[in-house]
Amino acid sequence: AQKVTQAQTEISVVEKEDVTLDCVYETRDTTYYLFWYKQPPSGELVFLIRRNSFDEQNEISGRYSWNFQKSTSSFNFTITASQVVDSAVYFCAADSGAGSYQLTFGKGTKLSVIP
Amino acid sequence: EAGVTQFPSHSVIEKGQTVTLRCDPISGHDNLYWYRRVMGKEIKFLLHFVKESKQDESGMPNNRFLAERTGGTYSTLKVQPAELEDSGVYFCASSPGAGGVEQYFGPGTRLTVT
Repeated sequence: AQKVTQAQTEISVVEKEDVTLDCVYETRDTTYYLFWYKQPPSGELVFLIRRNSFDEQNEISGRYSWNFQKSTSSFNFTITASQVVDSAVYFCAADSGAGSYQLTFGKGTKLSVIP
Repeated sequence: EAGVTQFPSHSVIEKGQTVTLRCDPISGHDNLYWYRRVMGKEIKFLLHFVKESKQDESGMPNNRFLAERTGGTYSTLKVQPAELEDSGVYFCASSPGAGGVEQYFGPGTRLTVT
């Protein structure tokens, strides 16, 4: 069984500030996958990134970056120079990758970027 | 390429009535999933189809929920009879493969049972 914890329920930042969304996971699997999804006001979940448990390299995509640390079971997401369009609910999720293909989600973090 | 679509976007029904939700996955995606988010809680897995077969239905809450995917294309999720606790947002997702691959989600159907 897996568990994903997003301790931050809501975060508000002023535009152009950097913000980090925390994600802590629990799993007994040696192989697993971690994901981040964005849910804008329109409602659909938009895939942002996938990492597997064997790849601890951090990743940067434009203003977005992800820090995966197995030692602390964390997969944190940082938005640099936030913009109003970043306002959304962000979900962290985990998938064991073998045998069970269901995603286990955290409760989500609502990010509000104030102009 | 069209994304995952769901119909209806909203549904308000009375307790005891029946509701059917529909999901059209991305064309060519054999894997189709249903999830549900009850107010204030996590998004929870309901079931997983591979083509027309139920691969995993461990998340289905009870036998009032029936999911089908005839022909391996679109899927329906029927709730009969609906109870108050069934209210929430029902998401459908699809993926070309399974296990460690990203799932593409639809906009969800918001179900309100009064």
